[in-house]
Amino acid sequence: DAKTTQPNSMESNEEEPVHLPCNHSTISGTDYIHWYRQLPSQGPEYVIHGLTSNVNNRMASLAIAEDRKSSTLILHRATLRDAAVYYCILRDVAADNDMRFGAGTRLTVKP
Amino acid sequence: ETGVTQSPTHLIKTRGQQVTLRCSSQSGHNTVSWYQQALGQGPQFIFQYYREEENGRGNFPPRFSGLQFPNYSSELNVNALELDDSALYLCASSSRLAGESDTQYFGPGTRLTVL
Repeated sequence: DAKTTQPNSMESNEEEPVHLPCNHSTISGTDYIHWYRQLPSQGPEYVIHGLTSNVNNRMASLAIAEDRKSSTLILHRATLRDAAVYYCILRDVAADNDMRFGAGTRLTVKP
Repeated sequence: ETGVTQSPTHLIKTRGQQVTLRCSSQSGHNTVSWYQQALGQGPQFIFQYYREEENGRGNFPPRFSGLQFPNYSSELNVNALELDDSALYLCASSSRLAGESDTQYFGPGTRLTVL
């Protein structure tokens, strides 16, 4: 199975942009790149997903490298409520009956 | 539109006992997945149910079993509880469409402690 690699932790200042990287060098052509986040004492929450093109929604942007071997989740203006563990997950559209979470990146936002 | 709900919120059991955890899917969703999350780790996939049939299973022993009901709610049953079963159990619902990558919506989880 294709796996992802993320930094264990990152820090950001409030109201500044945050770029959360994810490496997935063994990604296959049918793998979608999903991002979820888990706030303290809550279940994971969907953030964004994409296949090849960059994606934007109200929460974040997803920048996907041209070779698809890496991607970056961009929070345009971090707030204290964005402090969470962020998970980058690959899901095969043909066999996506599970999501394989890694350890994720713990984002700390400083006021 | 109500979200995914789970019950109970917390549960304490002793080793060897059996436990049933419950999940109500988000309205309109036909798929339920269960995950186990140990402290400090990411969630681990247990199994998924799609239209009342098991549709994939992670690396968990048979004493972890489940059901999905016609209204798409679900149960997770764990027999012969072990100390290592202490974890947060998460339920996620989604609506599967062929050829698309679904989004899963998670409940708040049930915290199980095995003594």
